[in-house]
Amino acid sequence: DTGVSQNPRHKITKRGQNVTFRCDPISEHNRLYWYRQTLGQGPEFLTYFQNEAQLEKSRLLSDRFSAERPKGSFSTLEIQRTEQGDSAMYLCASSLGTGGGGTEAFFGQGTRLTVV
Amino acid sequence: AQSVTQPDIHITVSEGASLELRCNYSYGATPYLFWYVQSPGQGLQLLLKYFSGDTLVQGIKGFEAEFKRSQSSFNLRKPSVHWSDAAEYFCAVALNSGYSTLTFGKGTMLLVSP
Repeated sequence: DTGVSQNPRHKITKRGQNVTFRCDPISEHNRLYWYRQTLGQGPEFLTYFQNEAQLEKSRLLSDRFSAERPKGSFSTLEIQRTEQGDSAMYLCASSLGTGGGGTEAFFGQGTRLTVV
Repeated sequence: AQSVTQPDIHITVSEGASLELRCNYSYGATPYLFWYVQSPGQGLQLLLKYFSGDTLVQGIKGFEAEFKRSQSSFNLRKPSVHWSDAAEYFCAVALNSGYSTLTFGKGTMLLVSP
């Protein structure tokens, strides 16, 4: 078990370009979460999956943000038409969830996005 | 909606001294409370959590936290700080024990002086 893996670790993109980040959760974990962390703030919840089902997406910041987890394993977070305000650390976490309970969430090291 | 307040943006503590980081939450029902630590270039690591029962919870690395419902607080403590404890600490609250939605505070940066 190598923990939650996120790629790339850093991404610099020009305003208006699309970017996609990948998260590989801990292999037996069925829940996967995306958070965004801006400078001086705590992580902000974006969305989460249980297996391949996206159970909460109302917190995605705009319709430019979308996430997928097609086979219930890895997940991707895409930002279309990036803006400078999208510059942040994007964190992924995973856990083993059962009903209303579950294990702690393990976080990856994040992908730092810089929009220039 | 739930919220978390960490009133101290940064704190400096001498190595070997005791530490207390403050956390206040706002949530109508029984909260599920957590403390995470984030070191530079590292992901968030769970220090401890409170779901129910004993209001004093023990965590990893010698940390403990006390839940006080009357004060809506969940302060983190350590009796003797080590230089390796320098990091950013986040308090968080969840709707249930399944961690489906964590609401974090803004964090407290801990600096440790020699």
